[in-house]
Amino acid sequence: AQSVTQLGSHVSVSEGALVLLRCNYSSSVPPYLFWYVQYPNQGLQLLLKYTSAATLVKGINGFEAEFKKSETSFHLTKPSAHMSDAAEYFCAVRNSGTYKYIFGTGTRLKVLA
Amino acid sequence: DADVTQTPRNRITKTGKRIMLECSQTKGHDRMYWYRQDPGLGLRLIYYSFDVKDINKGEISDGYSVSRQAQAKFSLSLESAIPNQTALYFCATTSSGSGNTEAFFGQGTRLTVV
Repeated sequence: AQSVTQLGSHVSVSEGALVLLRCNYSSSVPPYLFWYVQYPNQGLQLLLKYTSAATLVKGINGFEAEFKKSETSFHLTKPSAHMSDAAEYFCAVRNSGTYKYIFGTGTRLKVLA
Repeated sequence: DADVTQTPRNRITKTGKRIMLECSQTKGHDRMYWYRQDPGLGLRLIYYSFDVKDINKGEISDGYSVSRQAQAKFSLSLESAIPNQTALYFCATTSSGSGNTEAFFGQGTRLTVV
């Protein structure tokens, strides 16, 4: 069965520092992987997605993620955090042959001035 | 206008009451989903529908039912609401068409059962 693990329910970084949010997945077949962001009182917005075209995926707002099959990981990074990045981030997986999206438990990012 | 619209956005209801949450989409997608979000638990799948005649239970369907009235409309019902159904509910859609992989979400419905 598919599953997603996000390490760290809360992450704090200083403004300008590197952001690293971790995601590991389990899937028996090559998956589609996603990072979504949720700002307060809003729905989920797609940040980026991996669909097997390239292992390093660039998304919106300066975020990127690297698919590492050997580590079953899809960690999200941003070189320099901005105050506006404070939000909750969700990693999700979908097998290519199905249309069920499985989400991690989320990581709340706090950016310190 | 939003592509995926949920109504109501907020609702307070009493224990034992029946309540319906509605979702409509203008994206022309065939697949629709209902998720529930609780702090620390992420999003959990309640029900999903791959077309009007196809309804499937997700991981937490007990206490919920759904209706796919049309390709664009997918409603979630709580037949007899209980306090532990207090949560943020999201509708999502996607297309089975080639080239599309991600799900698109509504703004959410915050439900409180007292």
